[in-house]
Amino acid sequence: GAVVSQHPSWVICKSGTSVKIECRSLDFQATTMFWYRQFPKQSLMLMATSNEGSKATYEQGVEKDKFLINHASLTLSTLTVTSAHPEDSSFYICSPGLAGVKGEQFFGPGTRLTVL
Amino acid sequence: DAKTTQPNSMESNEEEPVHLPCNHSTISGTDYIHWYRQLPSQGPEYVIHGLTSNVNNRMASLAIAEDRKSSTLILHRATLRDAAVYYCILRSSYDKVIFGPGTSLSVIP
Repeated sequence: GAVVSQHPSWVICKSGTSVKIECRSLDFQATTMFWYRQFPKQSLMLMATSNEGSKATYEQGVEKDKFLINHASLTLSTLTVTSAHPEDSSFYICSPGLAGVKGEQFFGPGTRLTVL
Repeated sequence: DAKTTQPNSMESNEEEPVHLPCNHSTISGTDYIHWYRQLPSQGPEYVIHGLTSNVNNRMASLAIAEDRKSSTLILHRATLRDAAVYYCILRSSYDKVIFGPGTSLSVIP
């Protein structure tokens, strides 16, 4: 099956700094990437959908200037949390949109962000 | 995506079968039923999916009601590694995957 990697797997940063999370599709090309975040004891919440070569589409309530998404190539999408605050501490997960309804959806292993 | 309803939590004894229910009364004719699970501190993992007929794979079986308004994920022999949150999701296009609360499965040794 498709392999999705995320880097880093965990990161701790100080409040006010920016953090970049990379999501790579290792053996396929993904024109679309979904980004989710998950708070403790809660389900995954879709943040945004990125499309290769174009601007990302953000879900309602997600600040596009705070969560910068870049999908410059078919194998790499990045999520940058700008001026991070403790409330941004969460588990961030990416998922390439390639299989559609008839196949399985693959997910990255997640990145644990802790903002002090 | 249409909405699904699952119990918040379930328990099972190790090595016994587990039946995880999902209600999706507003399912449309083009919706596929997908199941994913998430182990602690990991990304979700695909389990199984189907449209109308029951499906089997190495991980589980999916039983779909004749009217498609409900489905059941069956783990034939629960192991401790099956302890996870199980999500039942309906998908009708190449659109985004929306997660509900899921069912937290505990497996008792």
